[in-house]
Amino acid sequence: KAGVTQTPRYLIKTRGQQVTLSCSPISGHRSVSWYQQTPGQGLQFLFEYFSETQRNKGNFPGRFSGRQFSNSRSEMNVSTLELGDSALYLCASSRSGDASTDTQYFGPGTRLTVL
Amino acid sequence: KQEVTQIPAALSVPEGENLVLNCSFTDSAIYNLQWFRQDPGKGLTSLLLIQSSQREQTSGRLNASLDKSSGRSTLYIAASQPGDSATYLCAVVNSGGSNYKLTFGKGTLLTVNP
Repeated sequence: KAGVTQTPRYLIKTRGQQVTLSCSPISGHRSVSWYQQTPGQGLQFLFEYFSETQRNKGNFPGRFSGRQFSNSRSEMNVSTLELGDSALYLCASSRSGDASTDTQYFGPGTRLTVL
Repeated sequence: KQEVTQIPAALSVPEGENLVLNCSFTDSAIYNLQWFRQDPGKGLTSLLLIQSSQREQTSGRLNASLDKSSGRSTLYIAASQPGDSATYLCAVVNSGGSNYKLTFGKGTLLTVNP
């Protein structure tokens, strides 16, 4: 069974640009969550999608957005990039998205560097 | 607001040693606590999940305990091996709010020296 895949693995952008990251969940999983990992803040929750609907959103500015397609694949977009957006972006998939009962499986992440 | 703290931030031990990683959380209203492992260049791998009603979980050389009332968890690794070198993260799912997200600590970087 293939794991969670994320593309691209590495990205270099300049300030002011926008970027789109992609996540393909494990087959049969309908929930995709996104996290940002930085050395200073650690792992922080961005948002979670289930059946194309955003169910929960973390405390990030509106420049961070996402969507989910009917095949459960998800994309996240960051507009008007800032230096502080440099981070490892991880997505996780699960069957129901209910982290109280459902194991979440993480992808390898996309390393975004903003210059 | 839930805060998760992990001590120590880094730990270096010789191969074969038994070791304990610590995790504390400020809000005891949780559904579960999970331990993950993160290898460089790779995502997180779930190691153990302890429901709030449980006291411990074991998997191979790993044993995780949970004391919800005191807001603490420990991950015990027996007979450590160089392959155990990684960053270990603990995370909780709060029962007082959204149960769709994990709140993580910043991790403990473990190095096991041959």
